[in-house]
Amino acid sequence: GNSVTQMEGPVTLSEEAFLTINCTYTATGYPSLFWYVQYPGEGLQLLLKATKADDKGSNKGFEATYRKETTSFHLEKGSVQVSDSAVYFCALREAGGKLIFGQGTELSVKP
Amino acid sequence: SAVISQKPSRDICQRGTSLTIQCQVDSQVTMMFWYRQQPGQSLTLIATANQGSEATYESGFVIDKFPISRPNLTFSTLTVSNMSPEDSSIYLCSVGTSGTGELFFGEGSRLTVL
Repeated sequence: GNSVTQMEGPVTLSEEAFLTINCTYTATGYPSLFWYVQYPGEGLQLLLKATKADDKGSNKGFEATYRKETTSFHLEKGSVQVSDSAVYFCALREAGGKLIFGQGTELSVKP
Repeated sequence: SAVISQKPSRDICQRGTSLTIQCQVDSQVTMMFWYRQQPGQSLTLIATANQGSEATYESGFVIDKFPISRPNLTFSTLTVSNMSPEDSSIYLCSVGTSGTGELFFGEGSRLTVL
């Protein structure tokens, strides 16, 4: 079946450092891909998405490019802030609309 | 987008009891799902709530343990039956509209079973 694999956390960075969180997927066809973010004590929010190969999703300085050759959707940000501390989830959309999530990666940004 | 309200936001329950979680959406939606997030874990899909028919359960989840109702396009309930401490989790309602693909999530219902 379909699955999503993320790099393990926690990831600890200093403010203004470069961030990469790796995400790879296994799926039939070319599903839409998503990154969600969960800030401490809050619900899940959509961060960005890409619906087809070579699409680049972007939001709040975060970017991810849909790479079908490597079945990847890595999340990047050039300069992280303390306020970016959260858990990040990569997900793919299956037929019927349901999302399959990766295990989540906790990011901690220190001042 | 959609605004999703879940009740209760949190509860502490006794072993062996059941609790019903409500999910109310501010607009009619075609897709509605229930997820579970165990402490420190990712989200696992429990079931798809189908309007006017029985829910579709994922492997490992059964109707007797997690009965779901969806009487219309804006409302659903999930019951966690005969609870044990292993059921302590955040339960999230999520909805989707066919056009954009993403799901929107409620704030979740945090259950602690003693």
